[in-house]
Amino acid sequence: GDSVTQMEGPVTLSEEAFLTINCTYTATGYPSLFWYVQYPGEGLQLLLKATKADDKGSNKGFEATYRKETTSFHLEKGSVQVSDSAVYFCALGGGADGLTFGKGTHLIIQP
Amino acid sequence: DTAVSQTPKYLVTQMGNDKSIKCEQNLGHDTMYWYKQDSKKFLKIMFSYNNKELIINETVPNRFSPKSPDKAHLNLHINSLELGDSAVYFCASSSGQPGNTIYFGEGSWLTVV
Repeated sequence: GDSVTQMEGPVTLSEEAFLTINCTYTATGYPSLFWYVQYPGEGLQLLLKATKADDKGSNKGFEATYRKETTSFHLEKGSVQVSDSAVYFCALGGGADGLTFGKGTHLIIQP
Repeated sequence: DTAVSQTPKYLVTQMGNDKSIKCEQNLGHDTMYWYKQDSKKFLKIMFSYNNKELIINETVPNRFSPKSPDKAHLNLHINSLELGDSAVYFCASSSGQPGNTIYFGEGSWLTVV
């Protein structure tokens, strides 16, 4: 079945550092790929998505590129802020079958 | 206007009780879901409904029963609650088309004591 693997945290960075959270997937066909973010005590919010190979999703300074050849969708941000502290989930799928999520990466940004 | 709303947000109850979590979406979507998030933050789909019909029913104890009175509502009933049912339950909705965004509610924090 489909699966998503992402680096497990916690990942601790200083403010203004460069962020990369790795995500790779296994799936039949070419699924849509998503990054969701969960702030403490809150629900899940879509951060960005890409629906086909080589698409780049971007939002709030975050970016991720759909790489079919490496089955990856790594999340990057050039300069993180304390307010970016949250749990980040990579996911694939969508549609009536819903999403398959990775285990989540807890990101902690220190001032 | 909250797109996907679920109630209650917090629920503390004793083992053996029966409880319900309600969910409503005002996005006009055809597909609704229930997800469970465990204490390690792992998210797993429980059920998926499309136009009030059950599409996905993952390996979930039959103490859990979803009910969809109409396209905009998907409620979750849980009978004979157990300690292991303690988790955060998320309702979500989408158009049901691959690639379209799935919108999540704020979550319902269930604690069984």
